Amino acid sequence: DAKTTQPPSMDCAEGRAANLPCNHSTISGNEYVYWYRQIHSQGPQYIIHGLKNNETNEMASLIITEDRKSSTLILPHATLRDTAVYYCIALPNFGNEKLTFGTGTRLTIIP
Amino acid sequence: NAGVMQNPRHLVRRRGQEARLRCSPMKGHSHVYWYRQLPEEGLKFMVYLQKENIIDESGMPKERFSAEFPKEGPSILRIQQVVRGDSAAYFCASSSTVSGANVLTFGAGSRLTVL
Repeated sequence: DAKTTQPPSMDCAEGRAANLPCNHSTISGNEYVYWYRQIHSQGPQYIIHGLKNNETNEMASLIITEDRKSSTLILPHATLRDTAVYYCIALPNFGNEKLTFGTGTRLTIIP
Repeated sequence: NAGVMQNPRHLVRRRGQEARLRCSPMKGHSHVYWYRQLPEEGLKFMVYLQKENIIDESGMPKERFSAEFPKEGPSILRIQQVVRGDSAAYFCASSSTVSGANVLTFGAGSRLTVL
């Protein structure tokens, strides 16, 4: 699996867009970029994933650069409930590779 | 759809006892995963199962831990002769081949405390 690099922590003001970066410069052609988050003491939650096109769902948007070496998760209007650790993971969509969580980015939404 | 159901949510055991954690995957999901999270640490993969088969158990401790996902019924993570270091949150997740094996839905976790 491609190694990903994320900043250890970020702050964002409530109501503003939270932009979480992720570097995955060694990503291979069949690896997708997945984003999960873990709110304190809860089970992790799937957010979004994509291969090369930008993706949007009810939770967030995912912007992947054209060379696929980095991506940004965007929470358009952050709320206090978005305070969590966010994980960026690169691996194939199918197969027996397991989802491996790194240290992620601890996002704190400031009132 | 009730999502991934784990029970018990909290379990207290004394050293040397057995702990059994149960996980019912989402309806239609045939892949089950177990992860462990020690206090103030990250999520660590333990085992990946499909119905009646262990696909990847590379994260399972060599002794005292076992997992199964029978044809009928929930997946079980069994820890024999528990020690204090087993105190952790154990998360189960499931996925389907339709959504993609790496789009996991996690349960709320089972928190094991060993006295």
